[in-house]
Amino acid sequence: AQTVTQSQPEMSVQEAETVTLSCTYDTSENNYYLFWYKQPPSRQMILVIRQEAYKQQNATENRFSVNFQKAAKSFSLKISDSQLGDTAMYFCAFMNPFLGGSEKLVFGKGTKLTVNP
Amino acid sequence: NAGVTQTPKFQVLKTGQSMTLQCAQDMNHEYMSWYRQDPGMGLRLIHYSVGAGITDQGEVPNGYNVSRSTTEDFPLRLLSAAPSQTSVYFCASSYSPRDWRLTGELFFGEGSRLTVL
Repeated sequence: AQTVTQSQPEMSVQEAETVTLSCTYDTSENNYYLFWYKQPPSRQMILVIRQEAYKQQNATENRFSVNFQKAAKSFSLKISDSQLGDTAMYFCAFMNPFLGGSEKLVFGKGTKLTVNP
Repeated sequence: NAGVTQTPKFQVLKTGQSMTLQCAQDMNHEYMSWYRQDPGMGLRLIHYSVGAGITDQGEVPNGYNVSRSTTEDFPLRLLSAAPSQTSVYFCASSYSPRDWRLTGELFFGEGSRLTVL
């Protein structure tokens, strides 16, 4: 079974600085998807960024980028120019899209990020 | 756009009581699912549905029932609530099962906080 590990329960960063959240995963599959979801204090979870394992290029969405190291099974999220609105719980998630209908997202335990003014 | 709507947002039950958490989406999504979120843990899949009339179990289905009579609605029923079911529940949806497998992106509701005394 796949597992997702986020080793940093809490992190903080000063506004405008850069922060990196760590995520490692365990799988025997070669093709899969990885995600970072953000859960602000209002609790509605939204997708931040997505990476397909077959793509060598790291995904980027504005100030958010990932460092995907497939051999190391590592998928870190870098937030540049941190803003107060980035304060949230961040979840790393894994999905195997080839299970013929029983696909699911496997989530890590989350990292609580606080951006300080 | 309403997106994914969950009701109620908060609920307190006594052990043994029954209740239904409602979930409705107006995006014509075929895939719908229920997750629970517990402190210090990621989200865990309870049940999911790939279309009207079709449901299946996730990783923690015991104590919960679901049905999918329409595309829009996916209620989660607790037949006899237990303190172990104290949690925050999230409903999430995606496009067709094929799209879900291709993108893996879920659209989440705001959550329902349930306390069982």
